[in-house]
Parts: sequence; C-alpha cells; structure tokens
Amino acid sequence: ETGVTQTPRHLVMGMTNKKSLKCEQHLGHNAMYWYKQSAKKPLELMFVYSLEERVENNSVPSRFSPECPNSSHLFLHLHTLQPEDSALYLCASSQVLAGTEAFFGQGTRLTVV
Amino acid sequence: GNSVTQMEGPVTLSEEAFLTINCTYTATGYPSLFWYVQYPGEGLQLLLKATKADDKGSNKGFEATYRKETTSFHLEKGSVQVSDSAVYFCALKQTGGGNKLTFGTGTQLKVEL
Repeated sequence: ETGVTQTPRHLVMGMTNKKSLKCEQHLGHNAMYWYKQSAKKPLELMFVYSLEERVENNSVPSRFSPECPNSSHLFLHLHTLQPEDSALYLCASSQVLAGTEAFFGQGTRLTVV
Repeated sequence: GNSVTQMEGPVTLSEEAFLTINCTYTATGYPSLFWYVQYPGEGLQLLLKATKADDKGSNKGFEATYRKETTSFHLEKGSVQVSDSAVYFCALKQTGGGNKLTFGTGTQLKVEL
C-alpha cells in the first residue's frame, strides 16, 4: 500500500470515551501533520512533527494529544471531547524540504455525541 | 504572518465553460504555491504547484502561474467537466517557516450539464 492511510474512516464517540486516530505513510517522508476541517471553516493546522519532534502546537485543547512514535506513524489520542470537536481530521506528510508538497490521507470523519 | 485569500464560492458553471478561481497571498520571501483539490468524502489531493516566480504549474488541463508582482496564483481551466466538481484550495509553504502549509478557505466548484 502506498500513500497516506488513515484509520478509521468514520468514528462516533461519546463525550466520555477515549479513542485514537491513526495515520501511516509509506512515502519515506520525515514530517507529519494533523489538520482539522470543520464545515464552513478554513483548514486548521493542529500539530506538526518534523523528524519525529513536535515543532508546532497551535493552541489545541489538551483533550487532543498527538503521538509520533516513528517517522511513518502518527496518532491523535482523543478524550473527553465536545460536540464541537466533530469534524474531518486529516493527516498529511511531506519531506522537510522547501518547495515540497504535502500528501494527505482520506481523513477520519469524527462525530462526538 | 502568512495568509492566503481565495474567492468566495460556490462557483457554478456549465460544462465546457472557462474557469478562473482567484488566489492571492501574503508572505515574506519566496514561498512555494500549491493548488489542492478535495472531492466529496475524500482528503486533499495536490493538483499543481509552482516553486518560484513566473513558474507555471499545470495538471489535468488546469494551470496557474506564480505572479510575484501581483502576489497571485490564479487557477484556470479552459473547459470544465462535471467531474471537476470539487472544492479547490490554494496554499503556500514558506521557506524556513516550520515546514507548514497555509491554506485558503477553499472554493467550491459545481459544474452542471
């Protein structure tokens, strides 16, 4: 399998649940990203990992916790979410090089009930 | 800081019509510029890119030219098809800017028969 793969594609969780989103890339990239896409809002960059170090955390609430165990895998751990956290969560990867594009997964559609 | 401004959507066109989606940016230095496309229920896919002034990116009949003098990267296609219906995102990547992409808000295109 090639490209960026996200699992699960769809997730429904209660506000007291704990769940994790998984992202895996087979492109040999060394930077990975989490984005949140909500209806009628711009794409929001949540976290950036570059060479397995977290280099950006855009004021994301602590109920979202990223983990990057190696350059091919990225997780987003979720706990005590709110209904407004319902969105499409997109993972992307790229090389740490000027001018290189990011490749996106198909996203996880999260619904918090 | 960096920013990308896209024309508001939705844009509705008849098949075989000419398409222009405007994109302007604000950035220091010489960013790389990208157009991504998102089909319903999918993640973002790179459509085309340009990494320096006067470069023209092209793919699948779409074109965009990096105009530094007007800080623009407008997307054009001479004859759209129903299958081009999607949301189009303009983005920039700042050299040395933490390796992140800054996106516009997206422009929805609907092509009708």
